[in-house]
Amino acid sequence: GDSVTQMEGPVTLSEEAFLTINCTYTATGYPSLFWYVQYPGEGLQLLLKATKADDKGSNKGFEATYRKETTSFHLEKGSVQVSDSAVYFCALSRYFGNEKLTFGTGTRLTIIP
Amino acid sequence: NAGVTQTPKFQVLKTGQSMTLQCAQDMNHNSMYWYRQDPGMGLRLIYYSASEGTTDKGEVPNGYNVSRLNKREFSLRLESAAPSQTSVYFCASSYPAVQETQYFGPGTRLLVL
Repeated sequence: GDSVTQMEGPVTLSEEAFLTINCTYTATGYPSLFWYVQYPGEGLQLLLKATKADDKGSNKGFEATYRKETTSFHLEKGSVQVSDSAVYFCALSRYFGNEKLTFGTGTRLTIIP
Repeated sequence: NAGVTQTPKFQVLKTGQSMTLQCAQDMNHNSMYWYRQDPGMGLRLIYYSASEGTTDKGEVPNGYNVSRLNKREFSLRLESAAPSQTSVYFCASSYPAVQETQYFGPGTRLLVL
């Protein structure tokens, strides 16, 4: 079945450091790929998405590129801020009359000033 | 426009008690979902509803029932709570279209003693 594997956390970085959170997936066909973010005490919200191979999703300085050859969708940001502290979830979806999301386990990111 | 709302925010139950988690959305979405979030396991789909009057099982439906009361509301019921159901529960909604984003509520934290 479908699965998503993402980098174990927690990850702690200093402000302005470069961020990479790795995500790889297993799925047949051509899934859509997502990064969701969960800020403390809140629900998940979409950060970015990519719907086909070589697409790059971007938002709030974060980027991820859909790499079909390596089945990866790594999240990157050039200079992180304290406000980026959150839990990040990689997910994939395939359409079966409804979008069914399969999530990774989440990576907790803490940015220290 | 409140998005997806959930009640209650927090609940403590004793083993064997029952309760219903409420979810409502005001975005005119057809599809609604219930997930549970457990440490180290990401989010797992419990049930989903493609439209008013239809519901389907997800990955972990045992011990739960759902009702799609109308287009806006989708409730999750625990008939006889067990400690294994201690979790954070998220409701989500989306349009029933390919690659459509899911929008999440703030979650309900449930503790079963």
